[in-house]
Amino acid sequence: DVKVTQSSRYLVKRTGEKVFLECVQDMDHENMFWYRQDPGLGLRLIYFSYDVKMKEKGDIPEGYSVSREKKERFSLILESASTNQTSMYLCASSYGDETQYFGPGTRLLVL
Amino acid sequence: KQEVTQIPAALSVPEGENLVLNCSFTDSAIYNLQWFRQDPGKGLTSLLLIQSSQREQTSGRLNASLDKSSGRSTLYIAASQPGDSATYLCAVPGEYGNKLVFGAGTILRVKS
Repeated sequence: DVKVTQSSRYLVKRTGEKVFLECVQDMDHENMFWYRQDPGLGLRLIYFSYDVKMKEKGDIPEGYSVSREKKERFSLILESASTNQTSMYLCASSYGDETQYFGPGTRLLVL
Repeated sequence: KQEVTQIPAALSVPEGENLVLNCSFTDSAIYNLQWFRQDPGKGLTSLLLIQSSQREQTSGRLNASLDKSSGRSTLYIAASQPGDSATYLCAVPGEYGNKLVFGAGTILRVKS
């Protein structure tokens, strides 16, 4: 079974802090994705990566950056957290055009 | 720009009822469509993936159909159970093939 894990289920941070969200997949997938999910707005793509060290902006990249130094790991970075980044963050991975497999999500609260 | 709409937004049914969830998309040039399930506070679980060359896919009590020409997909759940209570989302490929565009979801509650 494909397994996608995220470093934290719940996270509380203060405004201005630097926040790292980590995602690891164990199926050698080349594609990895970061989404955020907000009530009424659904899932929105922040960034995705189709290979090591490669990244593409999604629909809402502002305020975020990503890092993919190893194939299995895709990190989302909030350089200076703000209250409007309070959200549920979901990581996913896929092979080619096949289905995306999602992690359990990280619920981030920025105070 | 691809847009995905799901109707109804919420549905409450008694246990045992057969039900249909609807998904429509604006750009019919898709090569697949996926249905996901999300339990409260959890990640998404893939239910079915339909390739554009297929008209339907089945998994247990779930059957998903795809009509590309009309820009529609339906998810049929037979003999619903309380354990089916969740949010169901459909998604199609977006601008970049690997990027998905999601609908807002249908919140399903099956009452025992």
